[in-house]
Amino acid sequence: DVKVTQSSRYLVKRTGEKVFLECVQDMDHENMFWYRQDPGLGLRLIYFSYDVKMKEKGDIPEGYSVSREKKERFSLILESASTNQTSMYLCASNRRVGFGNQPQHFGDGTRLSIL
Amino acid sequence: DAKTTQPPSMDCAEGRAANLPCNHSTISGNEYVYWYRQIHSQGPQYIIHGLKNNETNEMASLIITEDRKSSTLILPHATLRDTAVYYCIVRVAGGSQGNLIFGKGTKLSVKP
Repeated sequence: DVKVTQSSRYLVKRTGEKVFLECVQDMDHENMFWYRQDPGLGLRLIYFSYDVKMKEKGDIPEGYSVSREKKERFSLILESASTNQTSMYLCASNRRVGFGNQPQHFGDGTRLSIL
Repeated sequence: DAKTTQPPSMDCAEGRAANLPCNHSTISGNEYVYWYRQIHSQGPQYIIHGLKNNETNEMASLIITEDRKSSTLILPHATLRDTAVYYCIVRVAGGSQGNLIFGKGTKLSVKP
């Protein structure tokens, strides 16, 4: 089974802090994604990466950055956390082959609260 | 991007089949239909996907109409653990390779 592991299930941080969310997958997937999920807004793509050291902006990249130094690990960074970044953050991965029809597999999410 | 329409909620008795419908009348020829579910406070779980033919795996069956304008997810013997929000998604074509768009989904309640 595909395993996508997010480092924390719950996290509480303060405004202005630099926050790191980590995600690791064990299936040698090329693509990795970061979403946030908010009530009434569904999933919104923040960033994705299709290879090591490669990254592409999603729909809402402002206030975030990412790092992919190794194939299995994709980190989301909140440069200076703000209260409007309080959300559920979801990491996903999939294989690149098949021209995008491969299903994405998700981690259990990190519920981040910014005080 | 093709949109999907699902009923907001459904009930199902434990042990019975749960049939979850989805309309996607604007689907284009190379777009797949995916189903995910999300149990409260967990990440979305992939269930099944298909293009034209019916598909079956260990979790569910997917029936796609011949004109591809609608589909049905079938959980053959629903259990209480199948209570979740079920999302029908048509895969966005294009260079991003993955921008999944989840609608509101169907909240399935399996009752004893």
